[in-house]
Amino acid sequence: EAGVAQSPRYKIIEKRQSVAFWCNPISGHATLYWYQQILGQGPKLLIQFQNNGVVDDSQLPKDRFSAERLKGVDSTLKIQPAKLEDSAVYLCASSLGPGGQSGGKNYGYTFGSGTRLTVV
Amino acid sequence: AQRVTQPEKLLSVFKGAPVELKCNYSYSGSPELFWYVQYSRQRLQLLLRHISRESIKGFTADLNKGETSFHLKKPFAQEEDSAMYYCALFPNSGGSNYKLTFGKGTLLTVNP
Repeated sequence: EAGVAQSPRYKIIEKRQSVAFWCNPISGHATLYWYQQILGQGPKLLIQFQNNGVVDDSQLPKDRFSAERLKGVDSTLKIQPAKLEDSAVYLCASSLGPGGQSGGKNYGYTFGSGTRLTVV
Repeated sequence: AQRVTQPEKLLSVFKGAPVELKCNYSYSGSPELFWYVQYSRQRLQLLLRHISRESIKGFTADLNKGETSFHLKKPFAQEEDSAMYYCALFPNSGGSNYKLTFGKGTLLTVNP
């Protein structure tokens, strides 16, 4: 099966500029996640979608970050304006159901290769 | 709220030596625990989950509810095991914290 696709792989922007990332999950995966991974730390959940609805965006800095999954398939994450501290790898993941669960079993998440953002 | 702690940022062993990557968690309910691995220039991927009681690439992990630990072990490390390892917790009780929480990771280096 095809994996989770993300683009671009790398992005370098100046602070106060805007940037957008794209993610196409595995076909049939209802749940989509955006994680932020700062160097030296574990991935931190920014937002979780169930189909085209937001389930959890409690850790999304909403003054500058936004995300959408309009048709319940692919998703975009935007930062506007970017700050130096936004430099990180942005990971997209998908799963059959919330938390990776489906039919009483947990299949885990499938991650994309990530987008490495550098804000200068 | 749930929390995952990986006390070692770096772990270096020689090929053929046993390896144990530590993971401790705090969660009031009964969680599901996972180990994810990220090899150099590859994406983060699921290594194993406690509920399956499986052994993947020679690695095993046992959930110790008394010690709230989920350490990852392998009796004989190989050079290809060098990677970043993340312990992750999923809360089965749901609610507002119904999400996978990762530790900060341990970078394992297996030397020849």
